[in-house]
Amino acid sequence: EAEVAQSPRYKITEKSQAVAFWCDPISGHATLYWYRQILGQGPELLVQFQDESVVDDSQLPKDRFSAERLKGVDSTLKIQPAELGDSAMYLCASSFRTEGSGELFFGEGSRLTVL
Amino acid sequence: GQNIDQPTEMTATEGAIVQINCTYQTSGFNGLFWYQQHAGEAPTFLSYNVLDGLEEKGRFSSFLSRSKGYSYLLLKELQMKDSASYLCAVTGGYNKLIFGAGTRLAVHP
Repeated sequence: EAEVAQSPRYKITEKSQAVAFWCDPISGHATLYWYRQILGQGPELLVQFQDESVVDDSQLPKDRFSAERLKGVDSTLKIQPAELGDSAMYLCASSFRTEGSGELFFGEGSRLTVL
Repeated sequence: GQNIDQPTEMTATEGAIVQINCTYQTSGFNGLFWYQQHAGEAPTFLSYNVLDGLEEKGRFSSFLSRSKGYSYLLLKELQMKDSASYLCAVTGGYNKLIFGAGTRLAVHP
């Protein structure tokens, strides 16, 4: 069964360091999402791609976060510099459809701890 | 903008029925999803509603009233493995999915 791949699963870093997460969506899925989930809360959308274009990044803290999907396939989310409040689970998801009822398929997530 | 409200926590007994409510306000609406999330794991799809009414899938059912901005997830014959968070999520334009904070369900013997 096709899955969304994410790495690393766990990352521990010190504040002010740079950190990067990688996501490979299900083949053929045009839409890719990065969500941040703080413990005890629901996932918060950070950025949404349609192929290689950003559809929505209104909640992405652009002073320290960046995301790219250069060839419209896999994607990287970067944080520089990391802050204590960035400790969270970073979830990548993909969807086949661009409009309407496209179910999102999630990867296992990358859990970030900033010390 | 979008706003989604659901109870923070619920408890229920094994074998019982539980209903988790969700109310939402959104500027555009393309459907409502329910996801299940076990602790430390990624969300997994449970149900999708775009028209008013009840959708049944095994032990789980989901209801939608678009005029009231209201949905519920009904879980029957509860099992211990149903202890998890249940996330209500609303889709707007461009398949943008916005999640509520989730309801933590604890099932007791």
